[in-house]
Amino acid sequence: GQNIDQPTEMTATEGAIVQINCTYQTSGFNGLFWYQQHAGEAPTFLSYNVLDGLEEKGRFSSFLSRSKGYSYLLLKELQMKDSASYLCAVLLHGGELSFGAGTTVTVRA
Amino acid sequence: NAGVTQTPKFRILKIGQSMTLQCTQDMNHNYMYWYRQDPGMGLKLIYYSVGAGITDKGEVPNGYNVSRSTTEDFPLRLELAAPSQTSVYFCASSLSSSYNEQFFGPGTRLTVL
Repeated sequence: GQNIDQPTEMTATEGAIVQINCTYQTSGFNGLFWYQQHAGEAPTFLSYNVLDGLEEKGRFSSFLSRSKGYSYLLLKELQMKDSASYLCAVLLHGGELSFGAGTTVTVRA
Repeated sequence: NAGVTQTPKFRILKIGQSMTLQCTQDMNHNYMYWYRQDPGMGLKLIYYSVGAGITDKGEVPNGYNVSRSTTEDFPLRLELAAPSQTSVYFCASSLSSSYNEQFFGPGTRLTVL
């Protein structure tokens, strides 16, 4: 089986920075995705890491360490609209994604 | 492009009833997937398909069936619905299995009473 762990909930203040950690132990690894999911909506793509290091995309950055089985998503300059669930997902060799349970981020004014 | 569309948006079933959840994509993607998401949980893969005529089981296939007769359509069939199948069902598609950004449909909320 696949094991992907991330914190259940995080709370931060508008304008602050939040880091969501994800650790994984999977039977295969072809990359790691982060998805954002607002309540009652479908997940939408945020980032993809296949090599070690940091990928930056505007206010969002994602980091991967394959040797440690570890990734994080960094959200900077938090806005109220960033309140959502953030899903860590590992791409397996067959092309399917294995998801963590998600981290609910609440941004407070 | 409409992307990935799913019907219906909501459905209530009685125990033992059957239904088909429809999924269509217009992006000419080879790969299609069905997930279920229970409250407060991540997505679990039910079935997936790498092309027309080819399907494979995911993590939680019991109680479901799929078919892929065309590139565009990937219906999910529930036979003998059970309360444990109450969930939100998402269909997704992707171009390939390498860089594999999956595009998700809006979901179907199913309640089995």
